Amino acid sequence: GAVVSQHPSWVICKSGTSVKIECRSLDFQATTMFWYRQFPKKSLMLMATSNEGSKATYEQGVEKDKFLINHASLTLSTLTVTSAHPEDSSFYICSARVASGRANEQFFGPGTRLTVL
Amino acid sequence: AQTVTQSQPEMSVQEAETVTLSCTYDTSENNYYLFWYKQPPSRQMILVIRQEAYKQQNATENRFSVNFQKAAKSFSLKISDSQLGDTAMYFCAFMVQGAQKLVFGQGTRLTINP
Repeated sequence: GAVVSQHPSWVICKSGTSVKIECRSLDFQATTMFWYRQFPKKSLMLMATSNEGSKATYEQGVEKDKFLINHASLTLSTLTVTSAHPEDSSFYICSARVASGRANEQFFGPGTRLTVL
Repeated sequence: AQTVTQSQPEMSVQEAETVTLSCTYDTSENNYYLFWYKQPPSRQMILVIRQEAYKQQNATENRFSVNFQKAAKSFSLKISDSQLGDTAMYFCAFMVQGAQKLVFGQGTRLTINP
């Protein structure tokens, strides 16, 4: 149980285009999902916290107009990188927090590698 | 603000040896959770072990155990009888009880050599 999927697993896009990444909790309901960014050989940097049915809370320094987050249901959150540029190339990871049970536990998706040309 | 520090960027041991990864943290909170996550080359984050701060007993999961020193704000991970599959990045993480955010350390790259 507690499986989180991400789609796509990797994507290459041209500079100036927008890319949408999906994060799904497959076998549980997630009231809260988190989006992280990870640079090569570096730690995870929290970008935003996404609560179902409400606006995401962004970390300091993260542009909310560039990284659009939608959490429309208890099993799906999306991250859209708008007008992507090469500096947005990175590994993006989502995690989901269960709505019941051990509420302090997060389950991570496998990540999405974004390359902007 | 909470911070987590992993002072060992890289470690390397021989298969079957025991290795200890260090982690220290800084917080003014009294109730919190500590975690060790493993990130193998596949990049999938995997929870290795967790510790509730109110518990004095150190957590153990098979070959993995922690040494939790609350007063010293130290949370080290010991891997016994290391295996090739233990090769990965290991992240120490902290969460205040009742909060939502995980705060990660910088990570330690562990290599198990045959």
